Amino acid sequence: EAQVTQNPRYLITVTGKKLTVTCSQNMNHEYMSWYRQDPGLGLRQIYYSMNVEVTDKGDVPEGYKVSRKEKRNFPLILESPSPNQTSLYFCASSSRRGSRYLDKNIQYFGAGTRLSVL
Amino acid sequence: AQSVTQLDSQVPVFEEAPVELRCNYSSSVSVYLFWYVQYPNQGLQLLLKYLSGSTLVKGINGFEAEFNKSQTSFHLRKPSVHISDTAEYFCAVEGDSSYKLIFGSGTRLLVRP
Repeated sequence: EAQVTQNPRYLITVTGKKLTVTCSQNMNHEYMSWYRQDPGLGLRQIYYSMNVEVTDKGDVPEGYKVSRKEKRNFPLILESPSPNQTSLYFCASSSRRGSRYLDKNIQYFGAGTRLSVL
Repeated sequence: AQSVTQLDSQVPVFEEAPVELRCNYSSSVSVYLFWYVQYPNQGLQLLLKYLSGSTLVKGINGFEAEFNKSQTSFHLRKPSVHISDTAEYFCAVEGDSSYKLIFGSGTRLLVRP
């Protein structure tokens, strides 16, 4: 089954304790992205990756890091979490190849990771 | 810069009534438009998309949307809603030369019996 898998689904941590949220996709997609969802703000892009070893900042990258060492994985790293990073996080992937009328450009989302930083 | 406005944060409606969720976008380039649905405690699922061609787009679960370039709108409609349609709906836009998806703030559809 084609899917984007995030772990953990729920996480409570304390300020300053480094954490990693993992994201893995099994669709051989080139493009992967991280979003955070906050009430009234919709989803905002944190970082994205066009392919292995190619990453770039989105709209709200401060306080986050990412890496793309393998095509299927795109972990989100919070080196020193703060309470303002309490949010719902989504990983997404999409294909940048093929016809625009098929699967291309459609982003597939993981189930989300709800993070609370105390 | 591109942006998406969803004018209604919440839309209450009775079961079997029609519904329209409004979405307006701003962009100086050609765009691709999407509606995603988020059921409680789940990720986002694609409802429908407009890439080009016919301006009336049909999606899953009986939803449809109409792309109106002159009004820069992409409103979502369903002629008869069910309780199971209760969810949050997000409109999103992607530019022709950009891989970035810009989301609106979302509209919570609340279907009452």
